[in-house]
Amino acid sequence: AQSVTQPDIHITVSEGASLELRCNYSYGATPYLFWYVQSPGQGLQLLLKYFSGDTLVQGIKGFEAEFKRSQSSFNLRKPSVHWSDAAEYFCAVGAANDYKLSFGAGTTVTVRA
Amino acid sequence: SAVISQKPSRDICQRGTSLTIQCQVDSQVTMMFWYRQQPGQSLTLIATANQGSEATYESGFVIDKFPISRPNLTFSTLTVSNMSPEDSSIYLCSVLGGDDTDTQYFGPGTRLTVL
Repeated sequence: AQSVTQPDIHITVSEGASLELRCNYSYGATPYLFWYVQSPGQGLQLLLKYFSGDTLVQGIKGFEAEFKRSQSSFNLRKPSVHWSDAAEYFCAVGAANDYKLSFGAGTTVTVRA
Repeated sequence: SAVISQKPSRDICQRGTSLTIQCQVDSQVTMMFWYRQQPGQSLTLIATANQGSEATYESGFVIDKFPISRPNLTFSTLTVSNMSPEDSSIYLCSVLGGDDTDTQYFGPGTRLTVL
């Protein structure tokens, strides 16, 4: 069975600073990997996804993530955060021909001025 | 990606009552799902809504508590029956299919509080 670990429950970062959110997955085959963001009181918005190919993927809002098979990781990064990036971020893993997603526990990001 | 709406966006209900949540998509999709997000928690899949047949429930969820309908390829409902305070959660629908058959897109969610 697939599973996802987000080791950081809460991260506080200064506006303009860089941000990295960690995600480790467990899955026997080639995973489909996703990052979603949930702003307060909102649903989930897809930031980016990885299925195959280039291991560095670009997403919306200036986010990128790198798939590292050897480390079973799919960390999310942003070079310079904005106050509007304060939200909860979820990493999820799925697979081809398997619609079920397993979500991590989420990382809450606080942005200080 | 598909545009997904949910009604109501939030509600406060009394214990023992039932609430039906609607999910509408602006295009035909292959699959629709219902998730629960309990306070401070991640998402848990409740069931897959199947068009024209009974929903497929995940372990720990039963039809009597969470009846689901999906009369066509763009609409589904989830009912939370005989509610208790433990049912206070955000309920989200998601869809798979249309232009993108490998990515789930989520609705804005319904925030339910049970008193």
